[in-house]
Amino acid sequence: DAGVTQSPTHLIKTRGQQVTLRCSPISGHKSVSWYQQVLGQGPQFIFQYYEKEERGRGNFPDRFSARQFPNYSSELNVNALLLGDSALYLCASSLAVGPTEAFFGQGTRLTVV
Amino acid sequence: QKEVEQDPGPLSVPEGAIVSLNCTYSNSAFQYFMWYRQYSRKGPELLMYTYSSGNKEDGRFTAQVDKSSKYISLFIRDSQPSDSATYLCAFYTTSGTYKYIFGTGTRLKVLA
Repeated sequence: DAGVTQSPTHLIKTRGQQVTLRCSPISGHKSVSWYQQVLGQGPQFIFQYYEKEERGRGNFPDRFSARQFPNYSSELNVNALLLGDSALYLCASSLAVGPTEAFFGQGTRLTVV
Repeated sequence: QKEVEQDPGPLSVPEGAIVSLNCTYSNSAFQYFMWYRQYSRKGPELLMYTYSSGNKEDGRFTAQVDKSSKYISLFIRDSQPSDSATYLCAFYTTSGTYKYIFGTGTRLKVLA
């Protein structure tokens, strides 16, 4: 019974570079959300996608973008990386976009140097 | 005023104690109320989920919601060292956009 899978688990990037993070939701789940969690803080909402369409967006700059594929997997892209982008990036999977339980993956730890 | 306030702790209790974790919120549009547990360097894990005022019990965990006071609580009975983690309150809203909003988390340590 596969849960939410994220890749890679860790990566190190240099300032100004671009990064792509990937997420595969639980089978049958059609919604994926992305969160940024800085050490010592709660997760901050970045995006929610449902049926390949963006359904929610948090207060993040345009350097952050995402998309959802026909198989409901998703990618989060961050351009022009800043040191402050260093964080744990979490993907959450849910059945639909409505108020329903979200199940999180283990996250991708991004370090920008 | 922040939308969600949660005491970051750390909170240390002896094994077997009853633990009370709390969050206050200011946004009346919050519709659903959740508690997540997060172990170090892991993703959050859903513990409890409710949408109405009152109590909801699941094993050693009880979630309490008071919408009139904009206050939610999580009680852990007979706490165990394995309960040592960060506990995050979370809220779901469709006001403006669909999104979850999390508290900063309370670090709990249960001492054997």
